Amino acid sequence: LAKTTQPISMDSYEGQEVNITCSHNNIATNDYITWYQQFPSQGPRFIIQGYKTKVTNEVASLFIPADRKSSTLSLPRVSLSDTAVYYCLVADGRNTPLVFGKGTRLSVIA
Amino acid sequence: DGGITQSPKYLFRKEGQNVTLSCEQNLNHDAMYWYRQDPGQGLRLIYYSQIVNDFQKGDIAEGYSVSREKKESFPLTVTSAQKNPTAFYLCASSSRDRYYNEQFFGPGTRLTVL
Repeated sequence: LAKTTQPISMDSYEGQEVNITCSHNNIATNDYITWYQQFPSQGPRFIIQGYKTKVTNEVASLFIPADRKSSTLSLPRVSLSDTAVYYCLVADGRNTPLVFGKGTRLSVIA
Repeated sequence: DGGITQSPKYLFRKEGQNVTLSCEQNLNHDAMYWYRQDPGQGLRLIYYSQIVNDFQKGDIAEGYSVSREKKESFPLTVTSAQKNPTAFYLCASSSRDRYYNEQFFGPGTRLTVL
């Protein structure tokens, strides 16, 4: 399984764009990059998934460079409600289940 | 509404007792998963099942057991062999159409051993 490394915590002010970078140096050809968000005492929620280049949905954007050894989750104009833990996961999703690390604890400040 | 449900929300158990946590989904998903989360930690996989009547151990299966007799249901039993069962337990499901990577989680069961 490809191991991921991401910052333990980040702080941001409301209205700013937040970028969380995840390193996955040994990502395999068949692996996808997936991000989840978790609020306290709740299960994680799928945010976005990508394979290469850029993916955008109504919640976030995911930037993946050509070598795919890292990825960046971008949250535009964060609000207090975006305070949560964000997990970066890498897996092919067929034969191996997802592995959740400790994630990045994002704190949004008014 | 389609979704995944877990019951109960809170559960208290005396040492030495087995307890079963319920997980049901009506999303017609093929795969189901059980995770354990301790305070300030990430999720750790206990068991998962990608098809009825078949399941695989995750990273921390010791002291737990599961069954998958129906596609919609994946109950988890925490046995007395689990040395430190107090934790937040999360059940999830996913579809092979999304390469199993988009998992839908239930609200969780918080188990406390007294």
